[in-house]
Amino acid sequence: DTEVTQTPKHLVMGMTNKKSLKCEQHMGHRAMYWYKQKAKKPPELMFVYSYEKLSINESVPSRFSPECPNSSLLNLHLHALQPEDSALYLCASSQDRGYTEAFFGQGTRLTVV
Amino acid sequence: GNSVTQMEGPVTLSEEAFLTINCTYTATGYPSLFWYVQYPGEGLQLLLKATKADDKGSNKGFEATYRKETTSFHLEKGSVQVSDSAVYFCALPLYNQGGKLIFGQGTELSVKP
Repeated sequence: DTEVTQTPKHLVMGMTNKKSLKCEQHMGHRAMYWYKQKAKKPPELMFVYSYEKLSINESVPSRFSPECPNSSLLNLHLHALQPEDSALYLCASSQDRGYTEAFFGQGTRLTVV
Repeated sequence: GNSVTQMEGPVTLSEEAFLTINCTYTATGYPSLFWYVQYPGEGLQLLLKATKADDKGSNKGFEATYRKETTSFHLEKGSVQVSDSAVYFCALPLYNQGGKLIFGQGTELSVKP
């Protein structure tokens, strides 16, 4: 099983809402990632979790709050987003921080209205 | 610094044509190299990989050879199909930055019947 599952697939939220994106993998991977992808652009890294600890934050605004409850789950909590935050949010995992390939989920298409 | 340069698209080919998408990289050391594919409305899928110089990655008729002397990892396929229409990303991982993937700009391929 090389699957990373993300929910929901689509999300529309207002600027005052609070919502969460969820990501799950059962490959025993110890590194998990959040990427943001705007249309016609490559993904850009937001956060890296290694062994359930946040190891990289790419200067992401605090309205995005990641959480890693256990080794299989990764959440991204959203609050007070702006319309320019509308994008495809991709979760990925790898065995150990880039020493092997990363597997991506299908993404959550987020629209902020 | 580390970077990936990929030929710009879009590329339009007829079915059964030969495909080449150029990718060159700048990196410290000799990282693994990956090609990812993104079909419309989906996340990224790992297409193929190479972990050391002169390695050839292959999958689904696609091939790429890790060339240290030319710092290249060009993607090729001998006979493309309509179903190969997608965006292709060349990528390298940064081991000292939590496995962060550096992507090329992406090449959009459209195959016409």
